[in-house]
Amino acid sequence: AQSVAQPEDQVNVAEGNPLTVKCTYSVSGNPYLFWYVQYPNRGLQFLLKYITGDNLVKGSYGFEAEFNKSQTSFHLKKPSALVSDSALYFCAVRDYNQGGKLIFGQGTELSVKP
Amino acid sequence: KAGVTQTPRYLIKTRGQQVTLSCSPISGHRSVSWYQQTPGQGLQFLFEYFSETQRNKGNFPGRFSGRQFSNSRSEMNVSTLELGDSALYLCASSSGATNTGELFFGEGSRLTVL
Repeated sequence: AQSVAQPEDQVNVAEGNPLTVKCTYSVSGNPYLFWYVQYPNRGLQFLLKYITGDNLVKGSYGFEAEFNKSQTSFHLKKPSALVSDSALYFCAVRDYNQGGKLIFGQGTELSVKP
Repeated sequence: KAGVTQTPRYLIKTRGQQVTLSCSPISGHRSVSWYQQTPGQGLQFLFEYFSETQRNKGNFPGRFSGRQFSNSRSEMNVSTLELGDSALYLCASSSGATNTGELFFGEGSRLTVL
């Protein structure tokens, strides 16, 4: 079965420093990968996706993600973190063995301190 | 363009009751998916509807059901509520044609079962 894993429950970063939220995937075939962000008591907001093409994908709010096929990773990055980036981040993959549903990782809580 | 609208946002029920949640997708979107979010299990796929037909289903008991109307609006129903059904229920829409793109989520309906 297709799956994604987010190895860190929590990531702490100082404002202005670069941030990385890690995601690894396990799929058969070509992966369709996504990142979402969730603020408290809100729904999920789409950040970016990798379907095919350039390994570096740029998304909303200055976020980007690097697709690495050899390491089966899709890490989310931002060069300079903001306090307002503090939220819950989810990596997800389309599972085409099960009708194309979106499979989510467990989420990583990002905390950016001033 | 209006986003995905879910109603009600909050509701409290008691064990044994039933509940109906509503979702209006983004205009023009024909696919609606439902997810359950809990602290312990994370985001779990319930089902997906496309053009009034259930296209995909997750591993939930038959107490969980849904439907989609001709205007793409969707409802999900949970009968004989249990304490463990307390969760944030998220609806997401997409154009659905190729099932490769991102999902757009609503703010969710937070269900508390007492």
